[in-house]
Formats: sequence, C-alpha cells, structure tokens
Amino acid sequence: GAGVSQSPSNKVTEKGKDVELRCDPISGHTALYWYRQSLGQGLEFLIYFQGNSAPDKSGLPSDRFSAERTGGSVSTLTIQRTQQEDSAVYLCASSLGSVNGYTFGSGTRLTVV
Amino acid sequence: QKEVEQNSGPLSVPEGAIASLNCTYSDRVSQSFFWYRQYSGKSPELIMSIYSNGDKEDGRFTAQLNKASQYVSLLIRDSQPSDSATYLCAVTTYGNNRLAFGKGNQVVVIP
Repeated sequence: GAGVSQSPSNKVTEKGKDVELRCDPISGHTALYWYRQSLGQGLEFLIYFQGNSAPDKSGLPSDRFSAERTGGSVSTLTIQRTQQEDSAVYLCASSLGSVNGYTFGSGTRLTVV
Repeated sequence: QKEVEQNSGPLSVPEGAIASLNCTYSDRVSQSFFWYRQYSGKSPELIMSIYSNGDKEDGRFTAQLNKASQYVSLLIRDSQPSDSATYLCAVTTYGNNRLAFGKGNQVVVIP
C-alpha cells in the first residue's frame, strides 16, 4: 500500500481482556517495528521484525505481550489480560532496513478501562 | 545516561525567526540520525536524516551533526505557525536494529 496501515484506530477494552492490533506495512519494506507512546512520553520500542530473521523482542514489557508477522508482511501485536498501564498509542512503522528512517502508521489508541 | 536526550523545555519563537533544537546521544558508534515532527494527536513524520559530520539542508530545515561531541541539532529557518509541533530526535547504531528516540521538544511558533 501507499502507507503503513493500522487497525483499529481506537480500541476501548475492559481490564483483563485480550486485544489484537494489526499493522500492514508499506509493500516491499522488509523491516517492521512496534512502538508505544504514552501520554506526554517518548516512543518506547517493543519489537522488531526483519525479513525472515527471528524478531528482536527485547522491548516487550512483559510476557502478556506478543507479536507475529505472517508472510513477511502483516503483523499482529497481541496483549493478553490487559491492564490499565497498557493504555497508550501503539505505533507501527516499516522501513527498507534498520539504518533507514521509518514510516509510521497512524497508530492505535488503546484505552483499558 | 539515556541513549538520546533532548533536554530543552517548550520553545516559543516568533513567526519568521529561527528555531534551534539540540539532541545528544550516548553511543559513540551511532551512525544514523533522524529528526521527526509530530503534530498533536498524529504519528511522527520523518523530516530529516543525516549520516556524516557537518550540515545538511532541506528547504527551511538544516540538520547539523557533530560525532566528536555526540550531538545533532535541527534549525528551522523562517519559522511558520505550521511548524508548531513536537520534534523528536532519533538515533540508530550499526548492529542495533532499532531507532532510539528522545522525548521530543515542543516548538510553538507565535504569529
């Protein structure tokens, strides 16, 4: 596609529920990243996929968070048993490689009530 | 020490003036440097990249890199109200598969 597409744009969920966030990167971009941004805070790295290599999961805050990337394209970030501190904007980005700048999607605003 | 630091508070500049933003980074082997602009409620947008020491100009924006002093700066000339946004500095290093972001500097251009 022309840009990085994320869905849903907004998600309100009850504490304890599982949520799935989707990211469709720019066609041909081999690198895909997930970050999150809490209100007034900087961008926090979560996970990185590069081609068929094993993902870099070093930023995932707990084992409730997981992500997969199918067929080297679409990625899904799953948060199990959501907590209020998970409330944030989850941003997906893609690039041609780790030394290139990223193109971000418009984000998913997650609110846990 | 944080990987990328942007310590200045909100910056207010009159329309037409120069806005100057600074960023320092901790890893001496950092190789790629970026500036992103983020409007309120929107996602970050890449506006400048720089890889070697010196200045790089693109329109009203100039990025400056000094690897010896480990800082990168952004100048916005002839500031416009549409430049009012938060500017994020980002750095990547060889072998590190991600960008590290600073917390950002808010710029307010006063008409």
